[in-house]
Amino acid sequence: EVQLVESGGGLVKPGGSLRLSCAASGFTFNSAWMNWVRQAPGKGLEWVGRVKSKTDGGTTDYAAPVKGRFTISRDDSKNTLYLQMNSLNTEDTAVYYCTTSKWLRGNFDYWGQGTLVTVSS
Amino acid sequence: SYVLTQPPSVSVAPGKTARITCGGNNIGSKSVHWYQQKPGQAPVVVVHDDSDRPSGIPERFSGSNSGNTATLTISRVEAGDEADYYCQVWDITSDHVFGTGTKVTVL
Repeated sequence: EVQLVESGGGLVKPGGSLRLSCAASGFTFNSAWMNWVRQAPGKGLEWVGRVKSKTDGGTTDYAAPVKGRFTISRDDSKNTLYLQMNSLNTEDTAVYYCTTSKWLRGNFDYWGQGTLVTVSS
Repeated sequence: SYVLTQPPSVSVAPGKTARITCGGNNIGSKSVHWYQQKPGQAPVVVVHDDSDRPSGIPERFSGSNSGNTATLTISRVEAGDEADYYCQVWDITSDHVFGTGTKVTVL
């Protein structure tokens, strides 16, 4: 059974930093493209960014609102995905989900339960 | 940037058919995926690649895509179908894009 378990969310002040983790199991993690998708309270879904599998280059891509502030990385030896978030602002308040995908045009197959990040003074 | 527009809400009686549209420029040339999200839960894909259903998704869910509009159709609607639905595509200029979301209410 595929499981994605996010952790690391919480309350942080504007300008602060936070690192989210996503522990994966039940599938071949090192072959998967991994994404972060977020959802602000009462709002829709927003793609945050992606890291490809190392066999596909291991490159990262980011949505414009987070580019330069957020960094996605993966540790295939630990089956874990990370999201380092710096220079946080109130617009970053959201539930953050990690998801899998197979390729650019593919859907997001599996989702974690999400972790809430609240940016507030 | 690429924009996907959905109606904010759709209401349907049990047993009837709900149709949720997703409008985007030349969306017919893209692969459209649809997600169902119930309150407090993560989204679940119900249709991928315009019209394919993942295993475990009832045949009542179907999709189509042509021109500037993709459509998710839910036949014989049940109370358990009440949820938010989002379309999603990948666009070469905007990367992954989600629609604005549609709340389906079962009367």
